[in-house]
Amino acid sequence: AQTVTQSQPEMSVQEAETVTLSCTYDTSESDYYLFWYKQPPSRQMILVIRQEAYKQQNATENRFSVNFQKAAKSFSLKISDSQLGDAAMYFCASDGATNKLIFGTGTLLAVQP
Amino acid sequence: ETGVTQSPTHLIKTRGQQVTLRCSSQSGHNTVSWYQQALGQGPQFIFQYYREEENGRGNFPPRFSGLQFPNYSSELNVNALELDDSALYLCASSQKPTDTQYFGPGTRLTVL
Repeated sequence: AQTVTQSQPEMSVQEAETVTLSCTYDTSESDYYLFWYKQPPSRQMILVIRQEAYKQQNATENRFSVNFQKAAKSFSLKISDSQLGDAAMYFCASDGATNKLIFGTGTLLAVQP
Repeated sequence: ETGVTQSPTHLIKTRGQQVTLRCSSQSGHNTVSWYQQALGQGPQFIFQYYREEENGRGNFPPRFSGLQFPNYSSELNVNALELDDSALYLCASSQKPTDTQYFGPGTRLTVL
């Protein structure tokens, strides 16, 4: 069965600093995607970044980048130059042949001014 | 381009009642997936609809059922509501079942 684990329930970062959120996963699929979604207090789940498992190059979206370690089944999110608007719950998720997303329990990120 | 929309925003029901939640998919998307997010947890997959047919189901009882219409909008129906059904219900659409899912704002259901 697919599982996604986020071991950091809460994290805090100073504005303009860098923070890394951790995620590990387990899957028997050979072809899969990994995602980071952001859920602010407004509740809407917003896609932050996506990584295709067969691509060795780490995905980057502006201030957001991932460190994808396929052998270790690790998928961390790095947020550079943190902004107050980055404060939210962050969920790591994976999918596979079943087309359903499996989510972790989330990491609540606070950004201190 | 219109994103995923859901209605209603909030809903309060009593135990034993039935509820219908609605979702309109993003333009150009033919696949809709439904998730239940209990307080303080990550979303759990309920089921997915692709071209009006169920295309995968999570570990939810049969009293959770759904529909997808020719315009690819979708409904989630829950019968015989239980207290544990209180949650945020999220709908996500994608261009096809294996594509990236984009979420709506959710419906907050409270069962008293």
